Amino acid sequence: TQLLEQSPQFLSIQEGENLTVYCNSSSVFSSLQWYRQEPGEGPVLLVTVVTGGEVKKLKRLTFQFGDARKDSSLHITAAQPGDTGLYLCAGVYDQTGANNLFFGTGTRLTVIP
Amino acid sequence: DAGVIQSPRHEVTEMGQEVTLRCKPISGHNSLFWYRQTMMRGLELLIYFNNNVPIDDSGMPEDRFSAKMPNASFSTLKIQPSEPRDSAVYFCASSSPLFRLNEQFFGPGTRLTVL
Repeated sequence: TQLLEQSPQFLSIQEGENLTVYCNSSSVFSSLQWYRQEPGEGPVLLVTVVTGGEVKKLKRLTFQFGDARKDSSLHITAAQPGDTGLYLCAGVYDQTGANNLFFGTGTRLTVIP
Repeated sequence: DAGVIQSPRHEVTEMGQEVTLRCKPISGHNSLFWYRQTMMRGLELLIYFNNNVPIDDSGMPEDRFSAKMPNASFSTLKIQPSEPRDSAVYFCASSSPLFRLNEQFFGPGTRLTVL
């Protein structure tokens, strides 16, 4: 089992603040995905990062894959109440099969208006 | 496309009863996954199918759990007999290697409560 630890586990911030969520593993992943899950729904893919050191931006969200492909971070600028949800990282162990997505422990974000 | 469809959305049952959860994957997707989510353990993969064949069921907690995929458009997860510790949200997800590498599309989940 590939273990992905996310930190912090819970985060409650005021609207307009910036935040960073971390995803760490001792394993090397071929790529890493970030999902967001809203209450009462299933996780939805936000982004996939593939190359070590890669940075992707999705509006106010910035995703970075570590150089060694063992860790990743998600930075949100000027958080909005609509950003509230559970953020999950998921490591892809190899590219050849469908059985290779391992989910992290999750960070539950609450943005207070 | 309607996305991944799960039924029922909510299930409340008594300990010892049989529970059957249902999933219809996205048409054309050849991989199907069953997950369980709890606050304590997060999102756990129970079993996944590739082209209707079970590939890895190592996440199935015990023999009380079984899953089938009789055809490409339908899968079931059965718990018999159910126990209170089985209470969780169960998600079904599907994916296709032809569409965005390893992206899994999740259904809305079934919230199971075993009394």
